[in-house]
Amino acid sequence: KQEVTQIPAALSVPEGENLVLNCSFTDSAIYNLQWFRQDPGKGLTSLLLIQSSQREQTSGRLNASLDKSSGRSTLYIAASQPGDSATYLCAVEGRGSTLGRLYFGRGTQLTVWP
Amino acid sequence: NAGVTQTPKFQVLKTGQSMTLQCAQDMNHEYMSWYRQDPGMGLRLIHYSVGAGITDQGEVPNGYNVSRSTTEDFPLRLLSAAPSQTSVYFCASGRAQGNSPLHFGNGTRLTVT
Repeated sequence: KQEVTQIPAALSVPEGENLVLNCSFTDSAIYNLQWFRQDPGKGLTSLLLIQSSQREQTSGRLNASLDKSSGRSTLYIAASQPGDSATYLCAVEGRGSTLGRLYFGRGTQLTVWP
Repeated sequence: NAGVTQTPKFQVLKTGQSMTLQCAQDMNHEYMSWYRQDPGMGLRLIHYSVGAGITDQGEVPNGYNVSRSTTEDFPLRLLSAAPSQTSVYFCASGRAQGNSPLHFGNGTRLTVT
């Protein structure tokens, strides 16, 4: 069964810092990997999706990389802002019989203070 | 744009009661799914559907039923609520071709006493 782990569980930084959030998964046979943001009391918002054939995706100050062979992904946030404070989750979608199933990590709770 | 709409936002049930959590999307997405989110457990897939008339089980399907009679709606039924089903439930939709981001509703917070 696919297991997804996120490190660290929580992170508190001053505004302006560059951040790296880590995600690892146990089964490299994935279809894609997604990074989501969740604000308190809200649903998840998709930030970036990396297909299994890709190595990275970028959106604004966010950059996500994928190393499928080692089972790792990182989310890089440049020049962090207080508005970035949220929980960040990664999820992998399986292949074959598990296509359509997403397996989530428990998230990294990020606090950016002014 | 409404996106994915879940109702109700909050619900309290007594053990043994039944109820239906509603989910509707207006993006013509083929794929719809239900997750539950529990502290320390992350999100876990309950059931999913790749189109009208097609449903499949996820990781934690016991105690829940689903049906998909239309593209837009994917209700989740609790047949006999148990305290272990106290959770936050999220509905999500996406295109079935794959490699497309999921869109989530804002969740239903369910408490079973």
